[in-house]
Parts: sequence; structure tokens; C-alpha cells
Amino acid sequence: NAGVTQTPKFRILKIGQSMTLQCTQDMNHNYMYWYRQDPGMGLKLIYYSVGAGITDKGEVPNGYNVSRSTTEDFPLRLELAAPSQTSVYFCASSYRLRDETQYFGPGTRLLVL
Amino acid sequence: QKEVEQNSGPLSVPEGAIASLNCTYSDRGSQSFFWYRQYSGKSPELIMSIYSNGDKEDGRFTAQLNKASQYVSLLIRDSQPSDSATYLCAVGFQKLVFGTGTRLLVSP
Repeated sequence: NAGVTQTPKFRILKIGQSMTLQCTQDMNHNYMYWYRQDPGMGLKLIYYSVGAGITDKGEVPNGYNVSRSTTEDFPLRLELAAPSQTSVYFCASSYRLRDETQYFGPGTRLLVL
Repeated sequence: QKEVEQNSGPLSVPEGAIASLNCTYSDRGSQSFFWYRQYSGKSPELIMSIYSNGDKEDGRFTAQLNKASQYVSLLIRDSQPSDSATYLCAVGFQKLVFGTGTRLLVSP
């Protein structure tokens, strides 16, 4: 199993550009999450999904959108990128929503200039 | 606002010593507690999970939970230089809230 994979590893965006961060898991997990981690900070939940077709906002959803058309994929869309979105983005998945280990992808480092 | 507080460190210990990492949380309804280790430039990986009051041991790691005091800790025995990393405390019921992490430095 590859686990949780993310692409790209690193990206530079100009202010106002858009992009999609890809996340795929091959563990047949129902639950998937997107976090951002700013330098020296903990992880902040952006969006999460409890299954295909079902998504919900986390702590910091503004400026982002998600979709979940399949169990495996959970892309994160940035529209109109802003410098405040410079961060490292982690995708994670778990079998259950609670009491369950979250497995993290390797992360995407995004720089908005 | 649900909060998880950790001392940012760095916590410096010599090789072979016990490292003690602490975490407090604000939401009394929290039922799941996790410790993740994160090496610089890498993603978090689970070290320990604990759900009930008391101690839980796994190898060199012991997690301690006190729900009355809203306090969870991680003890690392016989610390090794390879344990040098940032340790993130995560607390939640359905959605996890992460602390900012404690940086641990183990010197040879």
C-alpha cells in the first residue's frame, strides 16, 4: 500500500492564481482531512469528509473548496491565492471519524508570492 | 474555541534520560488523545493514543491521561538522539485539535 499520497510536493503561486492540491489514499478509509501547518504552529483543520459526496468545514475553511467524488480522492482547491495561504498542507485519512489513528500524507509546500 | 496548549520548548535532555512532554486541553468533552511525532520537514506520525484515565505504555513510551485536570503527558524513557523531533498533542471527539508542539532535543 502506498498509504496517503499528495501532489505536488512544492508549488509557487502568484497572488490571484488558482490550483488544486491532490490527495489519494489506497487504504479504503472513509474519512479524509485537509490540514495546514504554518511555521512553528500546530495543524489547523481546513475541511474533512466522512465519505464520498459528503464534506464539512473545519476550523479554517475560508479561501478553500473541496470535493469527494470517490473514496480514494479528496482534492483541495485554492481559488484566488493569497500570501496568507503560504503554508504546508497535509492530507490525512482514517478508518473511523473518532478514536482512530489518522495517517498523514507527505505534505505539499505552497508559497504564494 | 477549543484549545490544546503545549510548551514550545526546546526541551533538552541527555541521551538515556527520561523526557517528559506535557499538554493541557480546554474541552472537557474530549474523548480521544493522541501524541504525534514530527521530524523537521516531514509529516506527523502517531506515537501513542489514549482514551481513558491512567497510564498506557508502549515500549519506551508512556502516555498519561488525567481528564479531571484536563492534562495529558508523554514520557520517553532512555531517550535517544533519534527521538529529537517535535511532538504534537492532539485532542478531540470527532475532529482533532492539535497543539503547536514541543520540540525535543536529545544530546549524545
